[in-house]
Amino acid sequence: KQEVTQIPAALSVPEGENLVLNCSFTDSAIYNLQWFRQDPGKGLTSLLLIQSSQREQTSGRLNASLDKSSGRSTLYIAASQPGDSATYLCAVKSRGSTLGRLYFGRGTQLTVWP
Amino acid sequence: GAGVSQTPSNKVTEKGKYVELRCDPISGHTALYWYRQSLGQGPEFLIYFQGTGAADDSGLPNDRFFAVRPEGSVSTLKIQRTERGDSAVYLCASSFSGSVTDTQYFGPGTRLTVL
Repeated sequence: KQEVTQIPAALSVPEGENLVLNCSFTDSAIYNLQWFRQDPGKGLTSLLLIQSSQREQTSGRLNASLDKSSGRSTLYIAASQPGDSATYLCAVKSRGSTLGRLYFGRGTQLTVWP
Repeated sequence: GAGVSQTPSNKVTEKGKYVELRCDPISGHTALYWYRQSLGQGPEFLIYFQGTGAADDSGLPNDRFFAVRPEGSVSTLKIQRTERGDSAVYLCASSFSGSVTDTQYFGPGTRLTVL
């Protein structure tokens, strides 16, 4: 069974810092990996999706990398802002499961203070 | 266009009662997913529909949980004889076709509290 782990569980930084969130997964046979953002009381918003054949994806201040062989992904947030405060979730779509099933980590709760 | 909507947003019930949670997917999306998120945890997969049929229901925890999607659009998650351990946020998502490259779009969730 695929297991996804995210480190750290919580992170608190001052505005303007560059930061890295980590995600690891136990089974490297994946179709893709996705990073989501979750705000309190709201659903998940997809930030970046990296296919298994790709090494990284970028969107604005966000950059996600994927090292499938080692079972790791990182989400890099540049010049953090208070509006970035949220929980960030990593999810993988495994080859050993049906196409619909995503396996999620527990998330990293990020607080960016002014 | 509208995103995924879920009703009710909050549901409080007593142990042993029956509840129904509704999900309206994005129009035109053939794939629909239910997840459950307990406090401090990531979402856990429950069931996945492709059209009207359940393509994978292996995440349903026991036979008290059942979900339907009779017309291939709206879905209802049904929980019988609720237990306190069923308290969680139930998330619904939809995607265009359920393919490998699809992005799943999530609704705001229904917070279920079983007293």
